[in-house]
Amino acid sequence: QVQLQESGPGLVKPSETLSLTCTVSGGSISSYYWSWIRQPPGKGLEWIGYIYYSGSTNYNPSLKSRVTISVDTSKNQFSLKLSSVTAADTAVYYCARDRTPYYCSGGSCYPRSGSGFDYWGQGTLVTVSS
Amino acid sequence: QSALTQPPSASGSPGQSVTISCTGTSSDVGGYNYVSWYQQHPGKAPKLMIYEVSKRPSGVPDRFSGSKSGNTASLTVSGLQAEDEADYYCSSYAGSNNVFGTGTKVTVL
Repeated sequence: QVQLQESGPGLVKPSETLSLTCTVSGGSISSYYWSWIRQPPGKGLEWIGYIYYSGSTNYNPSLKSRVTISVDTSKNQFSLKLSSVTAADTAVYYCARDRTPYYCSGGSCYPRSGSGFDYWGQGTLVTVSS
Repeated sequence: QSALTQPPSASGSPGQSVTISCTGTSSDVGGYNYVSWYQQHPGKAPKLMIYEVSKRPSGVPDRFSGSKSGNTASLTVSGLQAEDEADYYCSSYAGSNNVFGTGTKVTVL
């Protein structure tokens, strides 16, 4: 059974960089897209961005200038960095796996993102405060 | 990208059905058959209930069904049970991005 676990500081000062790591166990990080998703207290879900195991990324346009997602396949981990944080970045941060179906055409197969997030971490609350 | 629009709340008595709508645009819901639905109980991580508009992951009861017409997707919960009381979120692929809905709180009366 695939399991995801977020780790990192629970308190970050304004203007500093939020850093979180997601460790994947029970399965390989290879061949999937992996996302970060956040949820401010009492509010809805917001997709932050994804990384493919090969390293290609895509970010929410509203956060793109401040977000970096990276992957370490040797450790079965991927990470999130969010710079210049403010109180508005206070949220529960989740890591999640995209189902990543592959579609084959003309002898080649291509991964597709956006099919649905089938495994989630338990979430970690990050508070931005001085 | 703007959040998909869901009604803030929905309710039904045990055994009844409830349907939640999720309205987007031709750039997300209407443009792709990649709409998913999530159930979230308080203090818990979301759980995938429906993917690719109408497909159910293994272990999800067939009381949960999904559909789409134009720019609006829907989740129907039939035969409501007490444990179905939760927040529900839709999500759609939006051309290399993903966007979530505003969320709907389902109450079992």
